[in-house]
Amino acid sequence: DGGITQSPKYLFRKEGQNVTLSCEQNLNHDAMYWYRQDPGQGLRLIYYSQIVNDFQKGDIAEGYSVSREKKESFPLTVTSAQKNPTAFYLCASSPNPGTRDEQFFGPGTRLTVL
Amino acid sequence: ILNVEQSPQSLHVQEGDSTNFTCSFPSSNFYALHWYRWETAKSPEALFVMTLNGDEKKKGRISATLNTKEGYSYLYIKGSQPEDSATYLCAFVTSNTGKLIFGQGTTLQVKP
Repeated sequence: DGGITQSPKYLFRKEGQNVTLSCEQNLNHDAMYWYRQDPGQGLRLIYYSQIVNDFQKGDIAEGYSVSREKKESFPLTVTSAQKNPTAFYLCASSPNPGTRDEQFFGPGTRLTVL
Repeated sequence: ILNVEQSPQSLHVQEGDSTNFTCSFPSSNFYALHWYRWETAKSPEALFVMTLNGDEKKKGRISATLNTKEGYSYLYIKGSQPEDSATYLCAFVTSNTGKLIFGQGTTLQVKP
């Protein structure tokens, strides 16, 4: 089945630790995105990548890092510098760069910092 | 700061009722408007991507209209069914940034 997978579904982390969230797609999409959801707020863009080996900061990139070494993979690292990392994280992809294509979303990872 | 507002925040209707929600966005530098449906425990799924003023799109019992001059889009559901229960998200794209800016969503509950 084609789609986007995110792992793990739930993640617990101690304060001060870095953690990496996985996002993989087999849709052959060029563009990939990371969003964060907090209660009562819309999805906010963390980072996006329009092509392999290239990525740009979104609106709330501080405390996060990404890589795009392969077309199908776009992992997100939540670093200890992120002040409030507890949230629900969604990964998405779209066939082409540019935002007139619909985005396809993964099932999300809920990160809790203890 | 660009703001996308959705109203109402939540809605409870009976099965068979028709309903509609609003997405308000800045009327300048419009590029595209997306609608997504997000069911509990599932991933958001695209309903429509709208790009032209006056656009009307339809998928089954769900339709959407777009007014870029005044900065709003309506989503209509005709004859709501329990399976329509979900959070409906809209996302505005400005030609300046090329990024999606999401509203906070409208949560619809359809009672059988």
